[in-house]
Amino acid sequence: GAGVSQTPSNKVTEKGKYVELRCDPISGHTALYWYRQSLGQGPEFLIYFQGTGAADDSGLPNDRFFAVRPEGSVSTLKIQRTERGDSAVYLCASSSRTGYTDTQYFGPGTRLTVL
Amino acid sequence: DQQVKQNSPSLSVQEGRISILNCDYTNSMFDYFLWYKKYPAEGPTFLISISSIKDKNEDGRFTVFLNKSAKHLSLHIVPSQPGDSAVYFCAASEASNTGKLIFGQGTTLQVKP
Repeated sequence: GAGVSQTPSNKVTEKGKYVELRCDPISGHTALYWYRQSLGQGPEFLIYFQGTGAADDSGLPNDRFFAVRPEGSVSTLKIQRTERGDSAVYLCASSSRTGYTDTQYFGPGTRLTVL
Repeated sequence: DQQVKQNSPSLSVQEGRISILNCDYTNSMFDYFLWYKKYPAEGPTFLISISSIKDKNEDGRFTVFLNKSAKHLSLHIVPSQPGDSAVYFCAASEASNTGKLIFGQGTTLQVKP
């Protein structure tokens, strides 16, 4: 079946601009996670959705970052007033979340470059 | 504060030999550990996991060992194949948490033919 998809695959923007990154999880998966991976580092947790609600947003670095999942499926990560330090690969993962050990399946990521 | 650490950025082994990738953690609340594999331009792919109630889990050529007292886990790949060349991430989570994963920095494995 279809895996997690993310669009766009690459996004180049200028400092100060607004960007939206989209994630389509595996059909039927109720849990959705966003992570950010900087060069040479492992993925870093940003936010977790269970259904439509953000159950844990403790990883969002500041209030320029916001994410939504209005219908409990597709999610959008929004970054306002982008900064060069926001440049990274943004990964989305989904799981069936019947238990905390459920496997998280990752999408290919969106590479964001802020000039 | 790096709660999960992979101190070896890279590892090179010969095809057919054993690859051993190591991971250390500091948070004693972690009770579930995973290894993910990542190829360039792709997202991480789940490889194998282990619960803290076990000290070993095996799946084909891949075995994960957990030493809770040392807060250390390792991934053994036997025999190593060129297709195993990738970046390997160790990750951990807590039962009381939301399932969010805390990742190490990754180890790049190169298996030479």
